[in-house]
Amino acid sequence: KQEVTQIPAALSVPEGENLVLNCSFTDSAIYNLQWFRQDPGKGLTSLLLIQSSQREQTSGRLNASLDKSSGRSTLYIAASQPGDSATYLCAVGDLGGGSQGNLIFGKGTKLSVKP
Amino acid sequence: DARVTQTPRHKVTEMGQEVTMRCQPILGHNTVFWYRQTMMQGLELLAYFRNRAPLDDSGMPKDRFSAEMPDATLATLKIQPSEPRDSAVYFCAEGTTLYNEQFFGPGTRLTVL
Repeated sequence: KQEVTQIPAALSVPEGENLVLNCSFTDSAIYNLQWFRQDPGKGLTSLLLIQSSQREQTSGRLNASLDKSSGRSTLYIAASQPGDSATYLCAVGDLGGGSQGNLIFGKGTKLSVKP
Repeated sequence: DARVTQTPRHKVTEMGQEVTMRCQPILGHNTVFWYRQTMMQGLELLAYFRNRAPLDDSGMPKDRFSAEMPDATLATLKIQPSEPRDSAVYFCAEGTTLYNEQFFGPGTRLTVL
């Protein structure tokens, strides 16, 4: 059964710092991997999607990498800003059991960027 | 703005009552997912539909939960009877056909007293 782990559970950094959020998964048979942002009391906003054949995706100050063989993904945030404060969720598109694309979520990393 | 709309946004009800949550995906995206989020368990898949047909509802307690998609613009999740342990935020998401990137609605926050 696929399991997704995110470390750390919470992170506090000063504004302007570059940071890395980590995600690991136990089964490398994945369809894709998606990073989301969730603000308190709100839904999930899709940040980046990496297909299983890709190694990274970039959007603005965000860069996500994928290493299927080691079961890891990282989300890199450059020059962090207070507006980046949110919970970041990693989700793996599962291939198991014929349920192609079902997302298995990590518990998230709660990021706080201090001014 | 969320691509997917969900109603109601908040629901408080008493144990034993029926609860119906609605989701309106964007027409043309043929996969719809229902997730539940709690502090303890995080986000869990309850059920999903492709082309309006249920493909997987193994995450759903069958005795009290039911999910349907009566047409391409409406998906419903019903709980009958509701229990306090059902208190959570319920999200609907739609998946794009090509890459199955999922876009989430704002959620329905359910409180069962």
